[in-house]
Amino acid sequence: GAVVSQHPSRVICKSGTSVKIECRSLDFQATTMFWYRQFPKQSLMLMATSNEGSKATYEQGVEKDKFLINHASLTLSTLTVTSAHPEDSSFYICSAIGWVTGQPQHFGDGTRLSIL
Amino acid sequence: AQKITQTQPGMFVQEKEAVTLDCTYDTSDQSYGLFWYKQPSSGEMIFLIYQGSYDEQNATEGRYSLNFQKARKSANLVISASQLGDSAMYFCAMREGPDSGNTGKLIFGQGTTLQVKP
Repeated sequence: GAVVSQHPSRVICKSGTSVKIECRSLDFQATTMFWYRQFPKQSLMLMATSNEGSKATYEQGVEKDKFLINHASLTLSTLTVTSAHPEDSSFYICSAIGWVTGQPQHFGDGTRLSIL
Repeated sequence: AQKITQTQPGMFVQEKEAVTLDCTYDTSDQSYGLFWYKQPSSGEMIFLIYQGSYDEQNATEGRYSLNFQKARKSANLVISASQLGDSAMYFCAMREGPDSGNTGKLIFGQGTTLQVKP
């Protein structure tokens, strides 16, 4: 079936560092990719919707300049957490859908980000 | 605004027994889709089952079935013959709008943690 690859799976870095997370669709063209954030024992919170070749649409309350999203091709979207601070520590997970309608979102395995 | 509610933060079930995880939703749209995902402790989101609002029959996928009651706006997940590997967090989600021509955006419920006892 469809596979979405997310890298890295875990990041530990110092405060002030920028961190880039990649989300790739491996066997289908992802017309739309989604980025979620999840705190422990909580639900997924949609951060932004990313369409290939256009600017991402951010959900209310999500800082565009803090969470930079680039969807440069039909198989790759990146999320960059700029100047990360401890409060940005969380589980970030991407998902993707393709041209075929009615298909569920396919999720990457997520990235655990820890800012010291 | 659309909303998904899972009222059971945690559930226990004995191995080999069946369990029902509740999900209710609220939407003013006539066309929508309902999904269930499983999230083990490792974090990945595993798609389990899908029900379209116009589907007349309840969806089934192996040991998973979706008890869809449109008038009551409920979409409960039934897991039959529970296995130890079913221990995980389960999320109900809704996509508002028809399958085609929409963004595919999902709204998730709060989740239910299921623990299967040996």
